Amino acid sequence: NAGVTQTPKFRVLKTGQSMTLLCAQDMNHEYMYWYRQDPGMGLRLIHYSVGEGTTAKGEVPDGYNVSRLKKQNFLLGLESAAPSQTSVYFCASSYTYTDTQYFGPGTRLTVL
Amino acid sequence: AQSVAQPEDQVNVAEGNPLTVKCTYSVSGNPYLFWYVQYPNRGLQFLLKYITGDNLVKGSYGFEAEFNKSQTSFHLKKPSALVSDSALYFCAVRDYNTNAGKSTFGDGTTLTVKP
Repeated sequence: NAGVTQTPKFRVLKTGQSMTLLCAQDMNHEYMYWYRQDPGMGLRLIHYSVGEGTTAKGEVPDGYNVSRLKKQNFLLGLESAAPSQTSVYFCASSYTYTDTQYFGPGTRLTVL
Repeated sequence: AQSVAQPEDQVNVAEGNPLTVKCTYSVSGNPYLFWYVQYPNRGLQFLLKYITGDNLVKGSYGFEAEFNKSQTSFHLKKPSALVSDSALYFCAVRDYNTNAGKSTFGDGTTLTVKP
């Protein structure tokens, strides 16, 4: 099993550009999450999904959109990137809401 | 609302000595508590969790944590630290009464174990 994978690993954008981050899991997990990690601020939840076709807002959803068209994939979109979105983005998944979260390796995004 | 506090940004300990990384939490209902570890340029890895039952939880790599309801704490401990334990540690809490799946993470504590 590959676990949780994220593409791309690194990306540099210019302000105003758009992009999509892909998260894939092969563990048949119902729950999937997108976090951002900034120095000294821990992990903050952007959006999450409790099952295929569902999405919900987390702590810091502004400027991001998500989709969960297939159970194994969770996409995070930036429609118009801003320098404040420079961060490391982590995807995670879990079987239930009480279960351990399994994290991907992260995507390092820089917005110039 | 739920929250987590890790009061120490940095913990330094000598190899072979016991280590403690502190975590306190606040939830309106019963807590689910987790510890994760992050090595440089890697994602978070699960160490241990408390859901219910015995207040002393044993996890991976010789780590353990004690759930203290009266003090709302869930401190991570290890009897004898290794240099390879040096990493960033995160405590996380989830409220039992909300099944929305949202966890709140602390800001992290950097553990440095010196030879």
